[in-house]
Amino acid sequence: DTAVSQTPKYLVTQMGNDKSIKCEQNLGHDTMYWYKQDSKKFLKIMFSYNNKELIINETVPNRFSPKSPDKAHLNLHINSLELGDSAVYFCASSDGLALVDEQFFGPGTRLTVL
Amino acid sequence: AQKITQTQPGMFVQEKEAVTLDCTYDTSDQSYGLFWYKQPSSGEMIFLIYQGSYDEQNATEGRYSLNFQKARKSANLVISASQLGDSAMYFCAMREPREGFKTIFGAGTRLFVKA
Repeated sequence: DTAVSQTPKYLVTQMGNDKSIKCEQNLGHDTMYWYKQDSKKFLKIMFSYNNKELIINETVPNRFSPKSPDKAHLNLHINSLELGDSAVYFCASSDGLALVDEQFFGPGTRLTVL
Repeated sequence: AQKITQTQPGMFVQEKEAVTLDCTYDTSDQSYGLFWYKQPSSGEMIFLIYQGSYDEQNATEGRYSLNFQKARKSANLVISASQLGDSAMYFCAMREPREGFKTIFGAGTRLFVKA
């Protein structure tokens, strides 16, 4: 059973399009995250949700909008895609917000904007 | 300022030998957590080991151990008896209570294990 799943795994699209990435976790965790990993492998937090409440909203263009319909899902919608949005996007979850709570990552979604 | 510094972009180690991957961090908090993650070429992020700032013992998980030196603000990962499958990117990360328990990752170290 996959703990944290993301769809799609690969996404190739044209500039200006709108796309969504879906994330689901079956671990019963309260907290979910979106990270962006750039071409140099640098991993940066974008958003986090705890019990469907937005906790972290980093300096991310407002073209990016997360949506958490329930604790097990955190989707990422991106409007008006730009070349610089090309990256690998990781969803993750953790039991909660305690310092000790390790994050379980999804397999990543490689987004390529042409 | 960099909160997590991994000074070794790439490291080579001979199979069956031990290797240390360096990580230093910067925080003014007394409470924080330190993590190491592995990212093989297949791309997934795998949790390896955790060290809490108040933990007096160094964390160990199988062949992984964390050399925690609080005064020096370092949290080096030691991999004993390296295996070919250990070839991967390794990320050090820190979680602080501020800013919603944000986890900050270092730039990573790519480890190559030679047969």
